[in-house]
Amino acid sequence: DVVLTQTPPTLSATIGQSVSISCRSSQSLLHSNGNTYLHWLLQRPGQSPQLLIYLVSRLESGVPNRFSGSGSGTDFTLKISGVEAEDLGVYYCVQGTHAPLTFGSGTKLEIK
Amino acid sequence: EVQLQESGPGLVKPSQSLSLTCSVTGYSITSNYWGWIRKFPGNKMEWMGYISYSGSTSYNPSLKSRISITRDTSKNQFFLQLNSVTTEDTATYYCARYLMGKASRHFDYWGQGVMVTVSS
Repeated sequence: DVVLTQTPPTLSATIGQSVSISCRSSQSLLHSNGNTYLHWLLQRPGQSPQLLIYLVSRLESGVPNRFSGSGSGTDFTLKISGVEAEDLGVYYCVQGTHAPLTFGSGTKLEIK
Repeated sequence: EVQLQESGPGLVKPSQSLSLTCSVTGYSITSNYWGWIRKFPGNKMEWMGYISYSGSTSYNPSLKSRISITRDTSKNQFFLQLNSVTTEDTATYYCARYLMGKASRHFDYWGQGVMVTVSS
């Protein structure tokens, strides 16, 4: 199975600060069809996971544009440009290129 | 709007079967794919499997001998059965819609989740 390693495991940020989360894959996530199926989810406390970004960098409808994704191959980054209080929770990367679908270990974002 | 809601017992005894229902409104389960994901105590998430618009299934190999996903299209529901549970199956179980296509392969709508504890 593809292992997705997220760093850091915990992140503490002040309101307005910009932060980045890394997701590193044990295999390239570039599919033979040319797409890279790496996505980002946010699970706020007490809520179900919410899709933020799909296909590395495409913003899901309704998601604020302070969230952005980048990367290729095995290295990917989620950036939040100007953290807001509602951004606290656990962030996951997830890959759909290789079966079975696998999730990263999660990064917990705390607000100082 | 697509909405999913899990239901089922919150407590299951070891060696028994875990059975959950996902009720979908706002969208037909005869389109797209529909999956189950679980989150263990801590942050670990695991994809369990999905059922397609046609009724075909795909399961995580780690569960393949114990899992079954079925559906009732007349009720717009799909189901999870996990056999021979142990305490290691204690988790919050989510159902979700899975977009399968060249420009997708991700879960976009999720249920609220149901916590299941395996204990005698």
